[in-house]
Amino acid sequence: SYELTQPSSVSVSPGQTARITCSGDVLAKKYARWFQQKPGQAPVLVIYKDSERPSGIPERFSGSSSGTTVTLTISGAQVEDEADYYCYSAADNNLVFGGGTKLTVL
Amino acid sequence: QVQLQESGPGLVKPSQTLSLTCTVSGGSISSGSYYWSWIRQPAGKGLEWIGRIYTSGSTNYNPSLKSRVTISVDTSKNQFSLKLSSVTAADTAVYYCARLAAGTYPDYWGQGTLVTVSS
Repeated sequence: SYELTQPSSVSVSPGQTARITCSGDVLAKKYARWFQQKPGQAPVLVIYKDSERPSGIPERFSGSSSGTTVTLTISGAQVEDEADYYCYSAADNNLVFGGGTKLTVL
Repeated sequence: QVQLQESGPGLVKPSQTLSLTCTVSGGSISSGSYYWSWIRQPAGKGLEWIGRIYTSGSTNYNPSLKSRVTISVDTSKNQFSLKLSSVTAADTAVYYCARLAAGTYPDYWGQGTLVTVSS
């Protein structure tokens, strides 16, 4: 099996840029996805294939990849972006989530 | 619009088997090249992938749970199911069912169901 490592928390003020990283050897060869989860709700996909944004996701959400690290960037974070964020990848018939990052916007 | 709904007991005794079913609506579980998956989340903790099944019956499981997990599919009922044996308090979690696009990432989720393991 393999692991994806994220910081446990990130804090920014409204309007600032939030960056959340995810590291793991598998990311050098497989795409990452990012999910946003708000309390009491199922996760929502915000980035796929490292940097693609699904329809309906605000443009302030973007993703990038470099080697074994992927980064979710929220440019001009809003209060409503406060949530838990999980990176996710799949390889060798094994699917894995990162440990999650709590984004605080205040 | 595909919808998924988990169902099953909310309380399971230690050492027993947890059983959940996911009913898929808004489309046939057999249509398209989709896998169907179970994911869980203990309170205040992160997401954990449990396993997935294709409508042919082919399965893959999280290595850490493999010895206790069975996922099956009933295409006639448009359902797939989870069985987790020998449960302990550590298996207490919200259990989600999900459709996997490209066989790999969840694009539709159920609302989740809380299963508590307690005597």
